[in-house]
Amino acid sequence: KAGVTQTPRYLIKTRGQQVTLSCSPISGHRSVSWYQQTPGQGLQFLFEYFSETQRNKGNFPGRFSGRQFSNSRSEMNVSTLELGDSALYLCASSVGQGPNTDTQYFGPGTRLTVL
Amino acid sequence: AQTVTQSQPEMSVQEAETVTLSCTYDTSESDYYLFWYKQPPSRQMILVIRQEAYKQQNATENRFSVNFQKAAKSFSLKISDSQLGDAAMYFCAYRTTSMIKAAGNKLTFGGGTRVLVKP
Repeated sequence: KAGVTQTPRYLIKTRGQQVTLSCSPISGHRSVSWYQQTPGQGLQFLFEYFSETQRNKGNFPGRFSGRQFSNSRSEMNVSTLELGDSALYLCASSVGQGPNTDTQYFGPGTRLTVL
Repeated sequence: AQTVTQSQPEMSVQEAETVTLSCTYDTSESDYYLFWYKQPPSRQMILVIRQEAYKQQNATENRFSVNFQKAAKSFSLKISDSQLGDAAMYFCAYRTTSMIKAAGNKLTFGGGTRVLVKP
């Protein structure tokens, strides 16, 4: 099976712009979670989508949003970018149907740089 | 809220030797999952090992094993016969078992331990 894929792998934006990141889960996985990784804050949970519905949300401002499509692919959007949004954004997928099937498998990440 | 602490920012090990990484966590739940993930320089997070809290037996995956002490809320990772390819950041992570609670599928990570392997 193909693993989790994320596009683009690298992105450079300027303050005030918005950005959309994409994540394609492992085939058969219906849950997609997003994490932000920075040197200062470490790995932080953004949100989780399952069957096109947000099931879980971390403590991030409303500028961070996401959605999931019927094929389980997910997008994450950050509006009005700030310098502090520079980070590695990781997407993880899992089957999503109960604790025993919910080991998360990660994609390679999107490195976002905000200038 | 659950917290995960990795007290060792960096560990160094000689090739073929053994290294143990520490992880402690804080939770009021009785049932949960614990994970160790490896993040090499390529930045892709790779699952190393998983432990279910209700299982007393320590999980093992080839050269990787854990020492799970539930009462002490400790979950250490032992890497035996270390190889150059083991050099990476290692993250300990916690997840509740309940899919009903809002925290359902959220992983809470520790700060990470960098493992250096000397040839």
